[in-house]
Amino acid sequence: NAGVMQNPRHLVRRRGQEARLRCSPMKGHSHVYWYRQLPEEGLKFMVYLQKENIIDESGMPKERFSAEFPKEGPSILRIQQVVRGDSAAYFCASSPRHYEQYFGPGTRLTVT
Amino acid sequence: AQTVTQSQPEMSVQEAETVTLSCTYDTSESDYYLFWYKQPPSRQMILVIRQEAYKQQNATENRFSVNFQKAAKSFSLKISDSQLGDAAMYFCAYRSARTNAGKSTFGDGTTLTVKP
Repeated sequence: NAGVMQNPRHLVRRRGQEARLRCSPMKGHSHVYWYRQLPEEGLKFMVYLQKENIIDESGMPKERFSAEFPKEGPSILRIQQVVRGDSAAYFCASSPRHYEQYFGPGTRLTVT
Repeated sequence: AQTVTQSQPEMSVQEAETVTLSCTYDTSESDYYLFWYKQPPSRQMILVIRQEAYKQQNATENRFSVNFQKAAKSFSLKISDSQLGDAAMYFCAYRSARTNAGKSTFGDGTTLTVKP
């Protein structure tokens, strides 16, 4: 069973561009979570999704950030008009039920 | 809101010896889960051990064990017979057992160095 897949692993964007981060959960997992990790810090929760539904987006910035988990295909975290402060590692996790989360390798976003 | 505190930004241990990493948390809930994750330089988050709050017995996984003190809201990780491969950042995390609670709350991590 393949683990949680994230792509790209590294993404470089200029200020003002859009970043799209993809996450394919483990087979059979219908819960997806996105976290952001700034340098020298722990992971900070952003959003929790189930298929076609956003369950908790309390950690998402109010502007420029959005997430989806369609019926078919990967979950997408979209950041519009990126700024330098968006530079971070973004981790996706999935779970088959509501307590054990398995993490992907992360996407490191660099905004120049 | 729940908070997780790791008061040791850095720890070091001699190879083959034992080290304990501290974690305290704050919650008003009675049913929850606690986790320790390891993050090596590759940045992959690896689950080391988990503890269900309703269980009094401390979890163990090979060389890793926890000391879970529910009343004190303390959850420390003990690594026995430390190996060079244990060098990494370690994160303590809390997650509510409520249905659809979803998110985990992480501490800021402890960097563990293992000296040969």
